[in-house]
Amino acid sequence: NAGVTQTPKFQVLKTGQSMTLQCAQDMNHNSMYWYRQDPGMGLRLIYYSASEGTTDKGEVPNGYNVSRLNKREFSLRLESAAPSQTSVYFCASSLSGPTSYEQYFGPGTRLTVT
Amino acid sequence: KNQVEQSPQSLIILEGKNCTLQCNYTVSPFSNLRWYKQDTGRGPVSLTIMTFSENTKSNGRYTATLDADTKQSSLHITASQLSDSASYICVVNTGGFKTIFGAGTRLFVKA
Repeated sequence: NAGVTQTPKFQVLKTGQSMTLQCAQDMNHNSMYWYRQDPGMGLRLIYYSASEGTTDKGEVPNGYNVSRLNKREFSLRLESAAPSQTSVYFCASSLSGPTSYEQYFGPGTRLTVT
Repeated sequence: KNQVEQSPQSLIILEGKNCTLQCNYTVSPFSNLRWYKQDTGRGPVSLTIMTFSENTKSNGRYTATLDADTKQSSLHITASQLSDSASYICVVNTGGFKTIFGAGTRLFVKA
């Protein structure tokens, strides 16, 4: 099992460009998440999908959109990138809600917006 | 405001020595607390989970404690190894999908 995979690993964008971060899991998990990690701060939840067909905003959703393509895949889209979105992005999945079930994280995508 | 604060921010120890990392939280309601290990360039990996009724839980050389009354948790690492060099993140779940992450303690183990 590959666990949680993310593409790309690194990306540099210019302000105003758009891109989609891809995430897939092969653990048959119901719930998937997108976090961002900034220096000196804890991971912050951008969006989550409790189950296939549902998505909900997290703590910092502005400037992002998500798509739960199917049970395996959950993508994060930046429509018009801004320097404030420079960060490391982690996708995670869990069997169900994170209170009861461990979250498994992908290796991250390091995004720089110039 | 729900917060999870960890100390120290960073720590350097010699291989073979023990260390203790601290986590204080002001989170309500409280469901459980997890400690994660994050190696450089990787995603976090869960080490242990503590529920309200648990005081101590071990996972190999890692021992977590929880004092729900004072809202404090610690992670003790025994006989440190070079591979223990990583960030250790304290995470508190409040229920549902609400999870509060601490900023982490960066541990460096030197030979």
